[in-house]
Amino acid sequence: GDSVTQMEGPVTLSEEAFLTINCTYTATGYPSLFWYVQYPGEGLQLLLKATKADDKGSNKGFEATYRKETTSFHLEKGSVQVSDSAVYFCALITNTGNQFYFGTGTSLTVIP
Amino acid sequence: GAVVSQHPSWVICKSGTSVKIECRSLDFQATTMFWYRQFPKQSLMLMATSNEGSKATYEQGVEKDKFLINHASLTLSTLTVTSAHPEDSSFYICSAKGSIVTGELFFGEGSRLTVL
Repeated sequence: GDSVTQMEGPVTLSEEAFLTINCTYTATGYPSLFWYVQYPGEGLQLLLKATKADDKGSNKGFEATYRKETTSFHLEKGSVQVSDSAVYFCALITNTGNQFYFGTGTSLTVIP
Repeated sequence: GAVVSQHPSWVICKSGTSVKIECRSLDFQATTMFWYRQFPKQSLMLMATSNEGSKATYEQGVEKDKFLINHASLTLSTLTVTSAHPEDSSFYICSAKGSIVTGELFFGEGSRLTVL
């Protein structure tokens, strides 16, 4: 069945370090891919998305490219800030639009 | 962007009582809403899918009589935890599938339930 596998955390980085959080997926057809972010004590917010192969989603300095050949959607940021400390979820929606699948979440802590 | 609001954000109740959590889509009509439970190690568990005007579809292992879901209008879904016990303490999150952007989920702020 369809699924999302996300790198386990927690991840701790120093401010201005480079961030990569790996995400791979298994799906039939052509899913849409998402990254959601959850700040402490809050619900989830959409960070970025990509709806077809080779699309690059970007927002707030974060980027992720939909790679069909490697079935991946890795999240990257060139220089993290303390305010980026949060939990990041990779997710997909199937091409029927009826099923959502989430990764287990990766906790990121950025220290000054 | 689309907004989904949950209420209350925090609730503390005594064991054996029932608690209702509301999820509202503020600026769009949500034909489908989802309820999740988030466990301490952050993983999200889908509890049920509610469709406006029909019965909710519960995931395997979720007690229907324990977690009552009602989606009476296109902007409101409610989750009632009946006869709550301390093991029901958790962070409950709702989301709505809007028609604004195909496939995007909009999430509420979450509700922290503590059962004493």
